Amino acid sequence: AQSVAQPEDQVNVAEGNPLTVKCTYSVSGNPYLFWYVQYPNRGLQFLLKYITGDNLVKGSYGFEAEFNKSQTSFHLKKPSALVSDSALYFCAVGGRLAFGKGNQVVVIP
Amino acid sequence: DGGITQSPKYLFRKEGQNVTLSCEQNLNHDAMYWYRQDPGQGLRLIYYSQIVNDFQKGDIAEGYSVSREKKESFPLTVTSAQKNPTAFYLCASSPVGTSGSGADTQYFGPGTRLTVL
Repeated sequence: AQSVAQPEDQVNVAEGNPLTVKCTYSVSGNPYLFWYVQYPNRGLQFLLKYITGDNLVKGSYGFEAEFNKSQTSFHLKKPSALVSDSALYFCAVGGRLAFGKGNQVVVIP
Repeated sequence: DGGITQSPKYLFRKEGQNVTLSCEQNLNHDAMYWYRQDPGQGLRLIYYSQIVNDFQKGDIAEGYSVSREKKESFPLTVTSAQKNPTAFYLCASSPVGTSGSGADTQYFGPGTRLTVL
């Protein structure tokens, strides 16, 4: 069965500092990997996905993610965090989409 | 959230009562999904449908039912058999079904928060 793990419950970062949200995956075959963001009492918004090709994927709102096959990871990154980036972030792996538990990101002004 | 609407935003259910959550999309997507979100557990798949008049159980289908009579609509009924229905329910759609291309992006509605009184 395919699955993802998000090892940290909460990530705290100062505004302007780099933000990293970690995700590792377990699949048989080639993975399709996704990142979503959720603001309070809202649905999930799609940020980016990896299908194939370049290991560095660029997405919405200045986010990017790096696919690392040897480490089975797909970490989400942003060079300079904003207070408005404070939200819940989910990693997921397709075909039948399996979500991680989510990471609460808190950006401190 | 654009293109997918869910109603109502908040719903209260009494013990033993069935309630139906609405999900409509105007994205012309073939596939639609229902998820349940509980704090600290991520999203869990309840049901999904790849085509009109066809749907499959997800990981936690017990106590729920769905229908897919129209491409744009995928209502979820929470029955009295669901013993712990208090949760945030999310509907999503994608261009093709999950058994097709796993690369298809799912787009989510704004959610319905169901509370049992």
